[in-house]
Amino acid sequence: EIVMTQSPATLSVSPGERATLSCRASQSVSSDLAWYRQKPGQAPRLLIYAASTRATGIPARLSGSGSGTDFTLTISGLQSEDFAVYYCQQYNNWPLTFGGGTKVEIK
Amino acid sequence: QLQLQESGPGLVKPSETLSLTCSVSGDSISISRSYWGWIRQPPGKGLEWIGTIYYTGSTFYNPSLKSRVTMSVDTSNNHFSMNLILVTAADTAVYYCARHKDSGVTAYQSWGQGSLVTVSS
Repeated sequence: EIVMTQSPATLSVSPGERATLSCRASQSVSSDLAWYRQKPGQAPRLLIYAASTRATGIPARLSGSGSGTDFTLTISGLQSEDFAVYYCQQYNNWPLTFGGGTKVEIK
Repeated sequence: QLQLQESGPGLVKPSETLSLTCSVSGDSISISRSYWGWIRQPPGKGLEWIGTIYYTGSTFYNPSLKSRVTMSVDTSNNHFSMNLILVTAADTAVYYCARHKDSGVTAYQSWGQGSLVTVSS
């Protein structure tokens, strides 16, 4: 099983600033990596797939990068909607696995 | 517009079977040739993949649950289902159904709203 490790667990950021979230895989997942955002009481929403492709309706201030084992989600100019929990997920190998999440909170 | 809706009992007794159905609207399970999945989230915790099913009925399960989970698809009624046997309190979670993006095993593009299932006597 590929273990996905996200860091930090919590990130405190002021509105308008930039947030950088990390996701590391225990072995290479190529570019088969997705990022999701989840707000309280809601289902996750797909943000990024194939490591760097934005899903439909996702603004350009969210960007994904990386390949192999190390991935980054960058959110520029944080807005109120961005304060949430973010999960990465690999779909390169069975079983599909998620990271433990990073909570982005208001500083 | 694709919509997924989970349905099933909100309370299940320990050692019994948890059964959930995901009703799909706005698309055809058989025509779309997509992969469909179940994911769960215990209260206050992260996401856990349960399994994925193809419209043909082919299944892929999480090894940690494989001995207890069964998934099926009903293309006539455009829904898919899962059964989890011998449940314990550790199976208490919000259960989501979702569709993989495009026609492969990829990211989950569309999600249901989730169904909270509590295991308790």
